[in-house]
Amino acid sequence: DTAVSQTPKYLVTQMGNDKSIKCEQNLGHDTMYWYKQDSKKFLKIMFSYNNKELIINETVPNRFSPKSPDKAHLNLHINSLELGDSAVYFCASSQDEGMNTEAFFGQGTRLTVV
Amino acid sequence: RKEVEQDPGPFNVPEGATVAFNCTYSNSASQSFFWYRQDCRKEPKLLMSVYSSGNEDGRFTAQLNRASQYISLLIRDSKLSDSATYLCVVDQGGGYNKLIFGAGTRLAVHP
Repeated sequence: DTAVSQTPKYLVTQMGNDKSIKCEQNLGHDTMYWYKQDSKKFLKIMFSYNNKELIINETVPNRFSPKSPDKAHLNLHINSLELGDSAVYFCASSQDEGMNTEAFFGQGTRLTVV
Repeated sequence: RKEVEQDPGPFNVPEGATVAFNCTYSNSASQSFFWYRQDCRKEPKLLMSVYSSGNEDGRFTAQLNRASQYISLLIRDSKLSDSATYLCVVDQGGGYNKLIFGAGTRLAVHP
C-alpha cells in the first residue's frame, strides 16, 4: 500500500513537449505539495494545495500548472518543456497545513528533457 | 544568506563512530524543525522532529537553539545503514506548513 504514489517514475521527453505527472495519496491528508529537486539536490516547494485550494504558489514559470480534481490527487502539467526543467519532482502530502506536521513524499519522478 | 544552511559533507566515518551535523536557519519566525533522511535516488523521509527541549530517539539526538537559530543532529554508534543524506528542514513561519529544506549533509559509514 503506497501512501503517496506518483507516475511516471521516469520521464524522458524532448524540448517543447507538454507532459503531466500524476500524484495520488491514500492517507486522507488535506494538504498536498509539489517539490522540485535540482541537480544540486536542493528541494524547493513549488505548489501547495489544501482541500483542492491553492495555498502556496512559488515563483515558478506559468508553464507549470497544478490541478487538484479532489483532495487525494494533485497533478502537475508542464507546457513547452525546457532543458532547465530536468530535475526530480516529488509530490508530498501532510495532514493539514498547520505546524509540526510530517510531510510524506512520493517516490519522485525523474524528468529528463533532451 | 541561505534560508537553511548545512555543511554538505561528505562525512566519512567508521562503524561505531559518533557524528554530529549542524544546521543554521535565517528566519526567526520559524516554529517547526525537522531532520529528514534521503537515501540515494529515493524520497525524503522524516527522521525526527526537533523540539526546544531537545529530543532523543534511540541513537539519534536532536537539539534546537532558538537564540542562535541553530539545529543539530547527533548519531551515536553509527551503522552502515545510516549512510544517507540528512536534510535539515524548517518551516517558513506565518502559519503555513511551507517547509524549507537545506541542501543536506551526506554521511558515509564504512566498515
